[in-house]
Amino acid sequence: DAGITQSPRHKVTETGTPVTLRCHQTENHRYMYWYRQDPGHGLRLIHYSYGVKDTDKGEVSDGYSVSRSKTEDFLLTLESATSSQTSVYFCAISEAGAGRDQPQHFGDGTRLSIL
Amino acid sequence: DAKTTQPTSMDCAEGRAANLPCNHSTISGNEYVYWYRQIHSQGPQYIIHGLKNNETNEMASLIITEDRKSSTLILPHATLRDTAVYYCIVRGFQGAQKLVFGQGTRLTINP
Repeated sequence: DAGITQSPRHKVTETGTPVTLRCHQTENHRYMYWYRQDPGHGLRLIHYSYGVKDTDKGEVSDGYSVSRSKTEDFLLTLESATSSQTSVYFCAISEAGAGRDQPQHFGDGTRLSIL
Repeated sequence: DAKTTQPTSMDCAEGRAANLPCNHSTISGNEYVYWYRQIHSQGPQYIIHGLKNNETNEMASLIITEDRKSSTLILPHATLRDTAVYYCIVRGFQGAQKLVFGQGTRLTINP
């Protein structure tokens, strides 16, 4: 299994509170991603990073921010959590490929409930 | 990214080969075919990917038709632990790109 650790694994919080999810990798991969998974929507990309301090938005980025100050850590922050952000959040990593596309590998997920 | 079409569900007997089809008729020349699976509420697990040629690894084989408009994932000797939702995804070769997960095929391996 790819060396990806997501923390916390479960969290329950209240509407309006800030929440930060952490993704830590030990693979030294260049690319890191945050997805959310909801019933009926599959996985959707929130933000991704293509290097330290280099990030970009995915398709459902509103209400989320990210930071990557080190290669191994990619943080996802909900500045003011809303009930619509209740979801399962997955981090993924992939390495830069030379001549062949490289797969993304996923963490075990964080189950976030916002009451 | 090209769209894919997969059957909603399939059944297979334990020990038999499971063949999961996928149609991707709008695939373009630089797009890879990826297969992932998700067991219950775990993170998606990468299985295999390919561009033109058939591919095989320790988990599965990927057969891509010559016109690249369809592919088949083969699990040679299915076990109960292979029960999962299987996703066929087409993705361009361009650094960091999102994976677009459809509804996938729910594969049930029966004893």
